[in-house]
Amino acid sequence: AQSVTQLDSQVPVFEEAPVELRCNYSSSVSVYLFWYVQYPNQGLQLLLKYLSGSTLVESINGFEAEFNKSQTSFHLRKPSVHISDTAEYFCAVSAGQGAQKLVFGQGTRLTINP
Amino acid sequence: GAVVSQHPSRVICKSGTSVKIECRSLDFQATTMFWYRQFPKKSLMLMATSNEGSKATYEQGVEKDKFLINHASLTLSTLTVTSAHPEDSSFYICSARLAGGLFEQFFGPGTRLTVL
Repeated sequence: AQSVTQLDSQVPVFEEAPVELRCNYSSSVSVYLFWYVQYPNQGLQLLLKYLSGSTLVESINGFEAEFNKSQTSFHLRKPSVHISDTAEYFCAVSAGQGAQKLVFGQGTRLTINP
Repeated sequence: GAVVSQHPSRVICKSGTSVKIECRSLDFQATTMFWYRQFPKKSLMLMATSNEGSKATYEQGVEKDKFLINHASLTLSTLTVTSAHPEDSSFYICSARLAGGLFEQFFGPGTRLTVL
């Protein structure tokens, strides 16, 4: 079975500061990794994904994540955050044959302070 | 593209009544839809996987008779919470996977259910 651990439940940072949201997973088979963002009272939006190929993936709004197989991690980073990045961020893994199900981490609340 | 809608966005009902939540894929066909439940400040818990034209597959611990799922077409899945009780109050989110697509799920905006 797969599992996902997001090590930080809350991350407060100042505007324009860099941020890293940590995500570790466990799986005995090949995985596909995702980061989703959830704004207040809304559903989840896909931020970025790793399926195969380059281990560094980027989103259109400046976030990036790197798949590290040896460390079983998929940390999310942004070099300079904005107030509008305030949201809940979920790391998720899909694995195994068919890979239908998504297993989510506990979520990290990113709060940007002016 | 790949937009998923849910209706209603919010519903308040009395204890003992049933509530139906609709999940629609607006611009694509979805052979598989998923229903999640999210508790306050918690992650998403998968309740069931719904495949068009067949019975839903429920996760362990989810009562199939309480949470009825119907996936009658390639664009619509419904979740009915039967005989709702206050402990059923939650945020219910559906997602859909493209027919023939791989891995990626597109999420609806969620439905906030409050049972009085």
